[in-house]
Amino acid sequence: DIQMTQSPSTLSASVGDRVTITCRASQSISSWLAWYQQKPGKAPKLLIYKASSLESGVPSRFSGSGSGTEFTLTISSLQPDDFATYYCQQYNSYLWTFGQGTKVEIK
Amino acid sequence: QVQLVESGGGVVQPGGSLRLSCAASGFTFSSYGMHWVRQAPGKGLEWVAFIRYDGSNKYYADSVKGRFTISRDNSKNTLYLQMNSLRAEDTAVYYCAKGRELERRYVFDYWGQGTLVTVSS
Repeated sequence: DIQMTQSPSTLSASVGDRVTITCRASQSISSWLAWYQQKPGKAPKLLIYKASSLESGVPSRFSGSGSGTEFTLTISSLQPDDFATYYCQQYNSYLWTFGQGTKVEIK
Repeated sequence: QVQLVESGGGVVQPGGSLRLSCAASGFTFSSYGMHWVRQAPGKGLEWVAFIRYDGSNKYYADSVKGRFTISRDNSKNTLYLQMNSLRAEDTAVYYCAKGRELERRYVFDYWGQGTLVTVSS
């Protein structure tokens, strides 16, 4: 199975900060990586697919980059609505796997 | 608009069985692969199972293989997860998710609100 490792596990930031979350795959997944946002008690929401494609309706302050085994999610200017947990996910194979999550907290 | 509504969760004893349902609307259900994903309390997301649009292929996480069965009824726009031989570690919120295909890869573009399964004596 392909293992996904996110860092950091927790991130403290202020409104307006630029935030970057990293995701590493245990083997190459080309660009088959997605990012999801989850708020407490809610279902995950797709933000980014194919490493850098922004899902319809998602604010442009979210962006993704990377390929192979190293990926990043960047929030250019953190907004109050962005405090949540973020998960990366590989979908290169028919055994889908998620990272352990990164909780973005208010500093 | 796409809607996915899970049901069937509850409390079950270890070794017991439960069947989850996911009612889909707002899209052509019979054209899309579907997933089940779970989340144990306070934990991260774990993919459980996938079924292709016509039910021709099914895939399972190793943790549930041989105990869980994914199925679908395209005439009823409904996805199912039959869970047998349940263990305490199966306790989780179970989500159904719609698969969006691109070059034979499936990302999860819409999710239901989830249903809680608790395995406890």
